[in-house]
Amino acid sequence: GDSVTQMEGPVTLSEEAFLTINCTYTATGYPSLFWYVQYPGEGLQLLLKATKADDKGSNKGFEATYRKETTSFHLEKGSVQVSDSAVYFCALSEDYKLSFGAGTTVTVRA
Amino acid sequence: DTGVSQNPRHKITKRGQNVTFRCDPISEHNRLYWYRQTLGQGPEFLTYFQNEAQLEKSRLLSDRFSAERPKGSFSTLEIQRTEQGDSAMYLCASSPEQRRTAFFGQGTRLTVV
Repeated sequence: GDSVTQMEGPVTLSEEAFLTINCTYTATGYPSLFWYVQYPGEGLQLLLKATKADDKGSNKGFEATYRKETTSFHLEKGSVQVSDSAVYFCALSEDYKLSFGAGTTVTVRA
Repeated sequence: DTGVSQNPRHKITKRGQNVTFRCDPISEHNRLYWYRQTLGQGPEFLTYFQNEAQLEKSRLLSDRFSAERPKGSFSTLEIQRTEQGDSAMYLCASSPEQRRTAFFGQGTRLTVV
């Protein structure tokens, strides 16, 4: 079945540092790929998505590229801020339901 | 606010009691989903509705769980005879038909004591 494996945390960074969170997936078909973010005390918010190979999703300075050859969708941001502290979830969908990774907790220090 | 709305936000109940949660999806979305999230884990799919029809139920959804969406708008999730293992965040999401992007509510946090 479908599954998502993402980098274990927690990750602690200083402000303006570069962030990478690795995500790899297993799917039988051609999934859409997503990154969701969960800020403290809030629900899941869609951060970015990509629907086919080589697509790049981007939002709020975050980027991720759909790599079919490596079955990966790594999340990157060049310069993080304290406000980026959150839990980040990689997810895929082949039909209507989402399969999530376990989440990566990111803490950015001032 | 036209996002997905869930009520209550928090629920504390004694073991053995029944609880019911409500979800109001984004109004033009005909697909509605329930997920469960335990501490330190990603959300896990529970069930899915297209309009009023419940089209899939996960094996995670035991017989004590029931979900309805009677008029194809809001949905309820009921847990009967709650157990401590039911303690989790219950998330509702909705999406338009034929779109894979789901929008989530803020969730209902259930604590069974």
